[in-house]
Amino acid sequence: NAGVTQTPKFQVLKTGQSMTLQCAQDMNHEYMSWYRQDPGMGLRLIHYSVGAGITDQGEVPNGYNVSRSTTEDFPLRLLSAAPSQTSVYFCASSYHRGGAYNEQFFGPGTRLTVL
Amino acid sequence: AQTVTQSQPEMSVQEAETVTLSCTYDTSESDYYLFWYKQPPSRQMILVIRQEAYKQQNATENRFSVNFQKAAKSFSLKISDSQLGDAAMYFCAYRSAFTGTASKLTFGTGTRLQVTL
Repeated sequence: NAGVTQTPKFQVLKTGQSMTLQCAQDMNHEYMSWYRQDPGMGLRLIHYSVGAGITDQGEVPNGYNVSRSTTEDFPLRLLSAAPSQTSVYFCASSYHRGGAYNEQFFGPGTRLTVL
Repeated sequence: AQTVTQSQPEMSVQEAETVTLSCTYDTSESDYYLFWYKQPPSRQMILVIRQEAYKQQNATENRFSVNFQKAAKSFSLKISDSQLGDAAMYFCAYRSAFTGTASKLTFGTGTRLQVTL
């Protein structure tokens, strides 16, 4: 299993450009999430999904769109990039089961710079 | 909303010594889970240890153990016999036990641990 994969690993955008960060998992996990990591602020939840066709907002959703058409993929779209979106982005997935052993598996992250 | 606070931005420990990283959290829920994640320079998030709030016994994983004090809302991580490979950023995280929240972690701001010879 490849686990959780993210592409690209690095990206530089100009203000106003759009792009999609890709996330895929091959573990048949129902739950998927996007987080951003900024210096001194830890990881913050952007959007999450509890299954194909179902998404919801997290703590910092503004400026980002998501959709979940398949169990495997959960892309994150930036419609008009802003310098405030410069960050490291992590995708994560987990089983739909109760308990602390519902571990979230994280992808390797995407470092995005918006000029 | 839940919050997680890590008041130590940086810590240092000598190899083979013991270090404790602090974490406090705020919640009105009675059932939840707590985690410590390690993030080495590779950026990969690695689960170190987890604790169910309903369990009184503190979790232990090899050289890693926690001191969970539910009433005080405190969840510290103790690393024994520190090794150079333990150098990393450590994040404390909270998750509600309610159904449908498995994908929603709340993280602290992290503690950077240095390990010296």
